[in-house]
Amino acid sequence: GEDVEQSLFLSVREGDSSVINCTYTDSSSTYLYWYKQEPGAGLQLLTYIFSNMDMKQDQRLTVLLNKKDKHLSLRIADTQTGDSAIYFCAESSDYGGATNKLIFGTGTLLAVQP
Amino acid sequence: NAGVTQTPKFQVLKTGQSMTLQCAQDMNHNSMYWYRQDPGMGLRLIYYSASEGTTDKGEVPNGYNVSRLNKREFSLRLESAAPSQTSVYFCASSVASAYEQYFGPGTRLTVT
Repeated sequence: GEDVEQSLFLSVREGDSSVINCTYTDSSSTYLYWYKQEPGAGLQLLTYIFSNMDMKQDQRLTVLLNKKDKHLSLRIADTQTGDSAIYFCAESSDYGGATNKLIFGTGTLLAVQP
Repeated sequence: NAGVTQTPKFQVLKTGQSMTLQCAQDMNHNSMYWYRQDPGMGLRLIYYSASEGTTDKGEVPNGYNVSRLNKREFSLRLESAAPSQTSVYFCASSVASAYEQYFGPGTRLTVT
């Protein structure tokens, strides 16, 4: 079945760039997403990329997609302490159907040191 | 506009007890979902409902039942709770075929 994998932890200093990586197995993935979860809260969509794109930039966030290697990354420029959270990668191959079922990775805990 | 709301926020059950987790959305979304989140395992889909009156199993449906009461509400029932069901439960909703799922704040359930 489909699988999405992420490293569990990343520590960076405030002001540095953070890069969170994700690999997935489903070659029919249509959309790939990055969600953010702050402590005690639900998930919030940060950004997404369609499978026919290589890169998407949105303010401090840059998403890179390598379809050949099934590798997705999220770069956060000028990381702030408020960026400390768990970041989930997710993929969907059911977009456009009746529902949009997501397969989530295990999440990467980003710790930003002041 | 409250988005997706869940009740209760916390619950402790004894093995064998039953309970219902409630979820409601006020965004007029067609699709609703129940996930569980366990350490090191990400979120796993329990059940989903594409539209009012329909429900389907997700990845981990055993031990759960759901009811799509109307377009707004989607409940998750544990008939006989087990310690393996200790988890954080999230409800989500989306416009069918749209890219974004909106999540509730979660229910932290402990079964002793």
